[in-house]
Amino acid sequence: DAEITQSPRHKITETGRQVTLACHQTWNHNNMFWYRQDLGHGLRLIHYSYGVHDTNKGEVSDGYSVSRSNTEDLPLTLESAASSQTSVYFCASSAGTGRLYEQYFGPGTRLTVT
Amino acid sequence: QQPVQSPQAVILREGEDAVINCSSSKALYSVHWYRQKHGEAPVFLMILLKGGEQKGHEKISASFNEKKQQSSLYLTASQLSYSGTYFCGTELYFGNEKLTFGTGTRLTIIP
Repeated sequence: DAEITQSPRHKITETGRQVTLACHQTWNHNNMFWYRQDLGHGLRLIHYSYGVHDTNKGEVSDGYSVSRSNTEDLPLTLESAASSQTSVYFCASSAGTGRLYEQYFGPGTRLTVT
Repeated sequence: QQPVQSPQAVILREGEDAVINCSSSKALYSVHWYRQKHGEAPVFLMILLKGGEQKGHEKISASFNEKKQQSSLYLTASQLSYSGTYFCGTELYFGNEKLTFGTGTRLTIIP
């Protein structure tokens, strides 16, 4: 069965370190998204991609970067981790074709920056 | 700008009905609804498009008022399994394909 996975599921890192969160989907979806979820803010979009070599900034992109070298993967990098980036991170994908599509979410990565 | 959801939280007894609202200050192309249980990922429920087309869950209904840029999710005869946080996500135009989510409505169903 097709799926979307994230790794690691939990991560503790120190301020200033570079961290990369992995997202892998086997749906063959064109669109991929990264969100962070914090209490009181819901899901906020960090970066997204419409296809290979395409990346776009979302509403809270400062301090984060992504790259899309293939259809399946969209890794999220925190260049220099800050305590404000402690959060739960969700990756999602969607087919991006037609008008009625849904986003499929990965299980999430809980990141703690100390 | 995030859509505004109301209420922020609601507690119901099993079998009661609930309505969750999602309002936007901008013209919308579509509204998506997702449910998230504690410690889990959000799961798709419904999509409603401008013009009336929709796709979604058999037991959950929703509406989209294009004039008011507002969507409502209707949960009837609620079951314990309906508990969770409900999020609406709004899409501004066809082809945009990215969603701006509201801050969520926490629904608790008690026996």
